[in-house]
Order: sequence, then structure tokens, then C-alpha cells
Amino acid sequence: QQQVKQSPQSLIVQKGGISIINCAYENTAFDYFPWYQQFPGKGPALLIAIRPDVSEKKEGRFTISFNKSAKQFSLHIMDSQPGDSATYFCAAKGRSGGSQGNLIFGKGTKLSVKP
Amino acid sequence: KAGVTQTPRYLIKTRGQQVTLSCSPISGHRSVSWYQQTPGQGLQFLFEYFSETQRNKGNFPGRFSGRQFSNSRSEMNVSTLELGDSALYLCASSLGATAGNTIYFGEGSWLTVV
Repeated sequence: QQQVKQSPQSLIVQKGGISIINCAYENTAFDYFPWYQQFPGKGPALLIAIRPDVSEKKEGRFTISFNKSAKQFSLHIMDSQPGDSATYFCAAKGRSGGSQGNLIFGKGTKLSVKP
Repeated sequence: KAGVTQTPRYLIKTRGQQVTLSCSPISGHRSVSWYQQTPGQGLQFLFEYFSETQRNKGNFPGRFSGRQFSNSRSEMNVSTLELGDSALYLCASSLGATAGNTIYFGEGSWLTVV
């Protein structure tokens, strides 16, 4: 059972454009929603994260939008740059120590930003 | 501040052998988790250790095991290796005490089973 569904699988955006990646979750016990960026040969690096009591969080060019009632959240990358080309993973996590205390990842989105 | 360190970075093993991977968490972090990453299954949770105790376990066979030492360093072991065990094994650490603690990943150990 896939508890976090991510779309699209791949995304091509022109330099300067907006990249949008969407995720949906099922378990209402999740209370932490991070996004990770992974370059080839590297481990995932935390990009930005949000808690469900906030509808939006912005850090630089990266924004998470969160819709608790719809159980959906999305990553927006403004002014996308070729250096943003990577695979992006959304994830969800419940309370530490609980049965959902680990990160559950989406399948990933491979983003290519064309110059 | 040093990040999560994993060793070895790359290794090749033969089917039927066993392997041990090592992880040193960020200083002060007491929670260590392990994940398997493959092109087909993506990132899947293996297990989590907190203060030397396994706190959570994913849906993997008993061939996959782990442990955590008193200094929070962790090892994972895979016995009787199968071709399908070829993957990137990622270690992650966090403070682990409360919900929402930031989880940091290492660069991973690339395991190839031939």
C-alpha cells in the first residue's frame, strides 16, 4: 500500500520557470512533511519541511503548500535553474517512536531544467 | 559539524555472502534509521534505532538486521545475499526525541550483489 503518492514522475521546465511537484497522503497520523533533493550518486538532502498546522512555508525559491483537508501538499520551485535538476522526493512521517515514526517516501520526481 | 558518515561507500558481494554496513550519525543524534533505495521500489524504510533499541521496523525479511552502539553508531547486516539486495543503503540520523526532528541522510553505501 503506497501511503504517499507523488506526481509527476518526471518534469521538464525551462530556466526561469516554475516547477510544481504534488504529493498526496492517506494516513492522518502523519504530522511532518519534508521534501528531499537528491543528485546522482548522493544521499537525499533536506530541502524544506512543513507541519500540518501551517498552510504554506517559503524558503528562498522553494515553497511548500499544504492542504490538510485534501491531504495534499506540493513543492513549488520558483525561477527554476539548471542547478535544480535533480530528483525530488516528498515524504511523510508520524510521531517519533510510533509505528509511523519513520519517513514514508513518494516515488520521486526527476526534474530537468533546460537552459 | 560533520554529517552522517557511511562506510564503505561501494562494495561488491557474491550471492549467499553476508555484508555489514556502518553508519556514524551526526554528533548528538540518538536516532539512526536505515533505508534501502532501488530504482524499482524507491526509498524504503528498514529499521530505526534509538538509544541502542530498535524502535521501528520496516517490512523486510529477517536477513536484514541492525544494531546500535552506546555511542549511537549503527551497523546493519544482510545475510545470505540475494541479487535483489543490490541497492543503495542509506543511513539517516536525527535527535529522535520528538516528532518532526529533522532527519539527515548520509551519502549511502552502494551494494552490488553478483
